[in-house]
Amino acid sequence: DQQVKQNSPSLSVQEGRISILNCDYTNSMFDYFLWYKKYPAEGPTFLISISSIKDKNEDGRFTVFLNKSAKHLSLHIVPSQPGDSAVYFCAAKGGTYKYIFGTGTRLKVLA
Amino acid sequence: EAGVAQSPRYKIIEKRQSVAFWCNPISGHATLYWYQQILGQGPKLLIQFQNNGVVDDSQLPKDRFSAERLKGVDSTLKIQPAKLEDSAVYLCASSLRAKLPTSGGEGEQFFGPGTRLTVL
Repeated sequence: DQQVKQNSPSLSVQEGRISILNCDYTNSMFDYFLWYKKYPAEGPTFLISISSIKDKNEDGRFTVFLNKSAKHLSLHIVPSQPGDSAVYFCAAKGGTYKYIFGTGTRLKVLA
Repeated sequence: EAGVAQSPRYKIIEKRQSVAFWCNPISGHATLYWYQQILGQGPKLLIQFQNNGVVDDSQLPKDRFSAERLKGVDSTLKIQPAKLEDSAVYLCASSLRAKLPTSGGEGEQFFGPGTRLTVL
């Protein structure tokens, strides 16, 4: 049972435009959510997180939105840059200390 | 600040052989995680240590996988004997602490580059 889902395996966006990556979860016990970026042959790098007590968190070009009623979060990247091309994973946890990761979305930013 | 170190970076073995991976976390990080990432999937937590104690190993296949974190610093993950389905990237991560005292969130995890295991 996939508790954290990233239904879009890939996404292409023009440089300068907005990239929106989506993530859905099923477990209402999740109370903390993270986004990671991964380049080939490297480990994931933490990008941004959000606690369930918030519905938005912003860090520079990256904003994460959380809709608890819909069990949905999204990562917005504005403006998108070619260096943002990578695989993005969302992750969630709650209750116990276990992190659950989604399957990832490959973002390609076209110059 | 040095990152999380892992070795080897690549390993090819035959099924039923044994293999061990090593991880050196960021200095001062109390929490250490081992993840398995199968191609096309997200990382799956295998085991989490807080200092040298196990916090969560519910997804560790204990009949063949073992891990230890002696002295609360370096960690090794061992597979014995390996199966074809163990082919994956094994990621080690560390964080300063498991849980922040006020926000209810977690300390940021820093990942190493991973070890790509191929079982033939």
